[in-house]
Amino acid sequence: DTAVSQTPKYLVTQMGNDKSIKCEQNLGHDTMYWYKQDSKKFLKIMFSYNNKELIINETVPNRFSPKSPDKAHLNLHINSLELGDSAVYFCASSPRGGNEKLFFGSGTQLSVL
Amino acid sequence: AQKVTQAQTEISVVEKEDVTLDCVYETRDTTYYLFWYKQPPSGELVFLIRRNSFDEQNEISGRYSWNFQKSTSSFNFTITASQVVDSAVYFCALSAPNFGNEKLTFGTGTRLTIIP
Repeated sequence: DTAVSQTPKYLVTQMGNDKSIKCEQNLGHDTMYWYKQDSKKFLKIMFSYNNKELIINETVPNRFSPKSPDKAHLNLHINSLELGDSAVYFCASSPRGGNEKLFFGSGTQLSVL
Repeated sequence: AQKVTQAQTEISVVEKEDVTLDCVYETRDTTYYLFWYKQPPSGELVFLIRRNSFDEQNEISGRYSWNFQKSTSSFNFTITASQVVDSAVYFCALSAPNFGNEKLTFGTGTRLTIIP
């Protein structure tokens, strides 16, 4: 069983479209995250949720809207996609918070054409 | 503000050589946590180690060892007798307690290539 699974693995879309990435963890963790890795491999946190509550919103454009229907799921919806949104998006979870080991999903490679 | 610097962008060594990846951090917190993650060519992020700021003992795990020195704000990672499977991007990261708002700050990564 995959601990943190995210879908899709690849997402190719046109500028201006809306897309969603889904993430699920079966570890019973309280905290989930979205990280963005750009083309230079730089990893930066976007959002964190603790038990369905938004904790961190790291100055991300409001075209990005995370949603956590329950503590095992954290989805990322992106409106009006732009070329600069092309990146790898990683979902992660940890038992309680960011001072602990993070368990990462396998990433979603988003390409905006 | 927290900052992690990995000055080595890319390193190449011949298989079986030892290699050290440098990590220097900045934080005003007295309690903090340091991490190393590995990202192989397949792209997933693999946890390697977590240390807290009060534990300066060096750690060894098989061919991997970590040297934590608070005096120089460094948390270096050494691979002994490197193997081709060690080829990856390695990230050093830092977090600190923040009333539930903790987040991991990553360095820019070091791409390690092991030449067979």
